[in-house]
Amino acid sequence: EVQLVESGGGLIQPGGSLRLSCAASGFTVSSTYMSWVRQAPGKGLDWVSVIYAGGSTYYADSVKGRFTISRDNSKNTLYLQMNSLRAEDTAVYYCVRDWRSSSEYWGQGTLVTVSS
Amino acid sequence: QSVLTQPPSVSAAPGQKVTISCSGSSSNIGNNYVSWYQQLPGTAPKLLIYENNRRPSGIPDRFSGSKSGTSATLGITGLQTGDEADYYCGTWDSSLSAGVFGRGTKLTVL
Repeated sequence: EVQLVESGGGLIQPGGSLRLSCAASGFTVSSTYMSWVRQAPGKGLDWVSVIYAGGSTYYADSVKGRFTISRDNSKNTLYLQMNSLRAEDTAVYYCVRDWRSSSEYWGQGTLVTVSS
Repeated sequence: QSVLTQPPSVSAAPGQKVTISCSGSSSNIGNNYVSWYQQLPGTAPKLLIYENNRRPSGIPDRFSGSKSGTSATLGITGLQTGDEADYYCGTWDSSLSAGVFGRGTKLTVL
């Protein structure tokens, strides 16, 4: 059974750093592409980043240079390192397997709140 | 300002049909597959349509998708009160090299 469990969210001050984790089971993260999608409170979906099986990565302009997507194959876990956090980064962050395909799967999300 | 444009809201009576539009450009909808999502309050989005018009297993055929040029449409027939939700379109933008979503459409079943 496929499972994605996000963790690492919480309250962080502006300018701070946070690393989100997405522990996967039922499949191998390195064999497919994994994405992060976020949703600010009361707002719509906002695509953040993707890492492909070959290692290529892409980012939304709003996070480029501040966020880094990566994976640990030995732990079968996806990460999102978030630096220089801003209030507008406050959102529920979802990890997603195979975005826009028949095998797409979403985690339950983890809330990041950037506030002083 | 979202790259993809959706109407903020649509409404229809139970049993009726509704369509939700998603307008983009040649760099996104025009040359990439479109997906559609349903999101109920407090839950993760649920994939309804992928590759413009294909339904994942378990999604009833009341839900349909189509694409023409730089626009896509989600159709829902036989509306039920349980269909009240936010609906989003999403695709890849080749110019941005990034994923993009519409701002979402709130469906009200009157």
